[in-house]
Amino acid sequence: DGGITQSPKYLFRKEGQNVTLSCEQNLNHDAMYWYRQDPGQGLRLIYYSQIVNDFQKGDIAEGYSVSREKKESFPLTVTSAQKNPTAFYLCASSIGGSLHFGNGTRLTVT
Amino acid sequence: AQSVTQLDSQVPVFEEAPVELRCNYSSSVSVYLFWYVQYPNQGLQLLLKYLSGSTLVESINGFEAEFNKSQTSFHLRKPSVHISDTAEYFCAVLGGRGSNYKLTFGKGTLLTVNP
Repeated sequence: DGGITQSPKYLFRKEGQNVTLSCEQNLNHDAMYWYRQDPGQGLRLIYYSQIVNDFQKGDIAEGYSVSREKKESFPLTVTSAQKNPTAFYLCASSIGGSLHFGNGTRLTVT
Repeated sequence: AQSVTQLDSQVPVFEEAPVELRCNYSSSVSVYLFWYVQYPNQGLQLLLKYLSGSTLVESINGFEAEFNKSQTSFHLRKPSVHISDTAEYFCAVLGGRGSNYKLTFGKGTLLTVNP
């Protein structure tokens, strides 16, 4: 079955540590996205990539970094510079404008 | 810049009642419009979309939405809801080249269907 796999589902980290969230897709989509979801705030775009080896900042990129070395993979690193990292993170890919989402990673930083 | 406003953050209804979830958008370019549904602790699933053509679009589970360009709205409706429709619903707008093809989401409406 084609789809987007995010791992792990739950992630716990201590403040000051960097953490990398995995996102893999086998849909052969060129474009991939990372969103952050907080209660009552909808989805906010962190980074997106429309092609391999290229990516752009979204609306809330500060404190995050990404890479796109392969078409299938778009990992997101939450750095210690991100002031409020606890959130639900969603990865998506797209073709024809419609987004296909993974099931998310819930990150808790204490 | 484009934006999406979902006018109700929560909508409680009884089973078999009709429901309307409201969505208004603003954009300086032509848009594509989407409704996504999110069940607890899951990602979002596409419910329906308007790209062009007929302004009334339908999903396979009985929801429909109508694109109204003059009112810049894309409200979601269902004539009779089920308990299983309980979820959060997100309206989204995709602008054209001027927006760099980014999808902008509303803040969501939590639909709770009570027995």
